[in-house]
Amino acid sequence: EIVMTQSPATLSVSPGERATLSCRASQSVSRLLAWYQQRPGQAPRLLIYDASTRATGVPARFSGSGSGTEYTLTISSLQSEDFAVYYCQQYDSWPPLTFGGGTKVEIK
Amino acid sequence: EVQLVESGGGLVQPGGSLRLSCTASGFTFNTYWMTWVRQAPGKGLEWVANVKQDESEKYYLDSVKGRFTVSRDNAKKSLYLQMNSLRVEDTAVYYCAKGGDYSAWTFDAWGQGTLVTVSS
Repeated sequence: EIVMTQSPATLSVSPGERATLSCRASQSVSRLLAWYQQRPGQAPRLLIYDASTRATGVPARFSGSGSGTEYTLTISSLQSEDFAVYYCQQYDSWPPLTFGGGTKVEIK
Repeated sequence: EVQLVESGGGLVQPGGSLRLSCTASGFTFNTYWMTWVRQAPGKGLEWVANVKQDESEKYYLDSVKGRFTVSRDNAKKSLYLQMNSLRVEDTAVYYCAKGGDYSAWTFDAWGQGTLVTVSS
């Protein structure tokens, strides 16, 4: 099973600032990595797939990068609606499909 | 508009059973893999099971294998999760999710979730 580790667990950022979230896989996932956003009380929403492709309707301030075992989600200028929990998910080797533990982006 | 609506959650005693349903609309249901993902209270996301378009392939999380069964009815545009021998650790919000247009293993639409509570 591929274990996904996200850091930091909590990120405190001021509105308008840049946020950088990390996701590490226990083995290479060959860029078969997705990012999701989950706002309080809501279902997750797909942001990024294949490590760097934005899903339909996702603003350009969200970008993904990385390769091998190391991946990053960057939010270039945080808006109020971006304060949420973010999860990475690998789909290179499964079952099981696995998610990271999440990074909570909170208002500083 | 793609919509997924789950139902069937509730309170059940350990060892009991529940059947979750997910009704889909707004897309061609029989052309997508479908998946169940759960989230324990205050915890992260956990993949539970998925099923191919024609039910020829089904996959499960090890901890639910032999207890849970995923199925679908394409005519009714519905996905199901039969959960037997429930344990306290199965307590979670259960989401159904649609496979992505580009990759079946990403989830580009989710339901609102249904809460399953296993407790005596």
